[in-house]
Amino acid sequence: NAGVTQTPKFQVLKTGQSMTLQCAQDMNHNSMYWYRQDPGMGLRLIYYSASEGTTDKGEVPNGYNVSRLNKREFSLRLESAAPSQTSVYFCASSGQRNTGELFFGEGSRLTVL
Amino acid sequence: GENVEQHPSTLSVQEGDSAVIKCTYSDSASNYFPWYKQELGKRPQLIIDIRSNVGEKKDQRIAVTLNKTAKHFSLHITETQPEDSAVYFCAASPGGFKTIFGAGTRLFVKA
Repeated sequence: NAGVTQTPKFQVLKTGQSMTLQCAQDMNHNSMYWYRQDPGMGLRLIYYSASEGTTDKGEVPNGYNVSRLNKREFSLRLESAAPSQTSVYFCASSGQRNTGELFFGEGSRLTVL
Repeated sequence: GENVEQHPSTLSVQEGDSAVIKCTYSDSASNYFPWYKQELGKRPQLIIDIRSNVGEKKDQRIAVTLNKTAKHFSLHITETQPEDSAVYFCAASPGGFKTIFGAGTRLFVKA
């Protein structure tokens, strides 16, 4: 089992460019999440998907869109990247109803110039 | 919405000493309180969690306590070792699939 896999691991963008972060899990989990991690601010929830076919906003959704492609895959898209979106992005999944342990991917470091 | 505050932001202890990290939360509906450890350059991983119907939980050198009345919960690490050096995050879940994290505590264990 690979667990939670996200790509790419590193990306440099120019302001205004778009990109998609991909995430896949092989644990048959229903819920998937996207967090961003910034120094001194912990992990902030961007969007989540409680189950296939549903997505909801988290704490900091502005500037992002998501797609729950199927049960395994949950992508995060930046339509017009801004320097404020420079961050480390973590995808996570959870198999428990409502709340429970989050299994994180390795992270994607994004720099927007 | 839920807000989680975590203190201290940095903690330095001597090997063998105890370390305590404290968190407060705002949403009285929160009923699940996990703690994650993140080593440098790695992903966060769950080390211990507690649910609101329990006041204390232990796992070897790690313990978590919860005071629902005061909306406080704490992580206690005894007999610290250099490999305990990492960033520790508390979190609270008010249900509805959301987990809200504190800002993190960087723990240094000096040999």
